[in-house]
Amino acid sequence: GENVEQHPSTLSVQEGDSAVIKCTYSDSASNYFPWYKQELGKGPQLIIDIRSNVGEKKDQRIAVTLNKTAKHFSLHITETQPEDSAVYFCAASKTSGTYKYIFGTGTRLKVLA
Amino acid sequence: GAVVSQHPSRVICKSGTSVKIECRSLDFQATTMFWYRQFPKQSLMLMATSNEGSKATYEQGVEKDKFLINHASLTLSTLTVTSAHPEDSSFYICSATARTGKSGYTFGSGTRLTVV
Repeated sequence: GENVEQHPSTLSVQEGDSAVIKCTYSDSASNYFPWYKQELGKGPQLIIDIRSNVGEKKDQRIAVTLNKTAKHFSLHITETQPEDSAVYFCAASKTSGTYKYIFGTGTRLKVLA
Repeated sequence: GAVVSQHPSRVICKSGTSVKIECRSLDFQATTMFWYRQFPKQSLMLMATSNEGSKATYEQGVEKDKFLINHASLTLSTLTVTSAHPEDSSFYICSATARTGKSGYTFGSGTRLTVV
């Protein structure tokens, strides 16, 4: 069935360093890839997304890259800050049909001050 | 931006009772709402997809009679956990989409259910 693998499961970086989280999806028909940030006890918040007709998208310190051939997409956070500490989830979806998201298993990011 | 309100944020109930969780889209019409369950330090597990005016579509392994979903209007979906047991204790999250194709889901803030 459809599957999204996410690595690493935990990631610790020093404040100011970059963090990279990688996801691989199985369904080649997927064409929409959002990233969510979830803080403790809260619902996930969309931080950036990318569609399959784009290879890279950037929003300030956050960027996402997509390699459709390899079915990989990655989240890049530069100049990390303590408030970036949270759990990050990637997801893959098809914009047609049920819009069901297949979520990755999550990455717990800790930014050390 | 799109806002989804979920209530209550926390609820404690006794075994055998039922609990209703509400999910409202505040500034858009949500043609589809989704209900997820999340265990500690785990990913979101889709329970069901709820379309306004029709029966919910449940994922494999999710008991329809235990987790009743009603999507009565374009702005409200409810999840009722019936005859709750301690193993139903979890974090339940809803999300909604207007299916405009322009944006992804908007998630509610989640409900922490504890069954004692």
